[in-house]
Amino acid sequence: RKEVEQDPGPFNVPEGATVAFNCTYSNSASQSFFWYRQDCRKEPKLLMSVYSSGNEDGRFTAQLNRASQYISLLIRDSKLSDSATYLCVVNRGSTLGRLYFGRGTQLTVWP
Amino acid sequence: NAGVTQTPKFQVLKTGQSMTLQCAQDMNHNSMYWYRQDPGMGLRLIYYSASEGTTDKGEVPNGYNVSRLNKREFSLRLESAAPSQTSVYFCASSPLGQGDPYEQYFGPGTRLTVT
Repeated sequence: RKEVEQDPGPFNVPEGATVAFNCTYSNSASQSFFWYRQDCRKEPKLLMSVYSSGNEDGRFTAQLNRASQYISLLIRDSKLSDSATYLCVVNRGSTLGRLYFGRGTQLTVWP
Repeated sequence: NAGVTQTPKFQVLKTGQSMTLQCAQDMNHNSMYWYRQDPGMGLRLIYYSASEGTTDKGEVPNGYNVSRLNKREFSLRLESAAPSQTSVYFCASSPLGQGDPYEQYFGPGTRLTVT
């Protein structure tokens, strides 16, 4: 079973829409969780960390459900510039900092 | 402050040729990583180095070797390239012990084609 599973999409939404991505992880020892963003033919970049209490950064809200081993990302009021691939990432808590990446969910926002 | 740099950006090799991908970071990070990214496969860890002088295998190390030359530089070598190594290669670094220990900063990638 893969360490991190994501629906690859694609998700195609109009500007202004709300869209949600989900991700599950297999190892209950995972301790740190992230969403990375990757633009076409570019490197991944950290979008936000995901905390147990849930956290918000502007139009982006991330939530974690440890019991179900499930992470979500909600994007409100989608912009054209949100078009990218969103990677769900977990760390098992190793001090080596090794991260496990999902395959990514592709989002296209159309005008 | 350039962050993580990688050379070359593009490379075409013939089967059996060798090459070294170079990576350097100027953020004084302890840990460095090499990933490959293939369509539909996501990022897969090839090798990583938790500190200068140490390296460990990741998920897909076969056919690769690495050298942590110093704290700044971490190179990836393909001794005898195969078509299955056609991919985009990303180098990353992580501070560990400073701020968020697990955020990784990526270089722009090397697009390698093996014919």
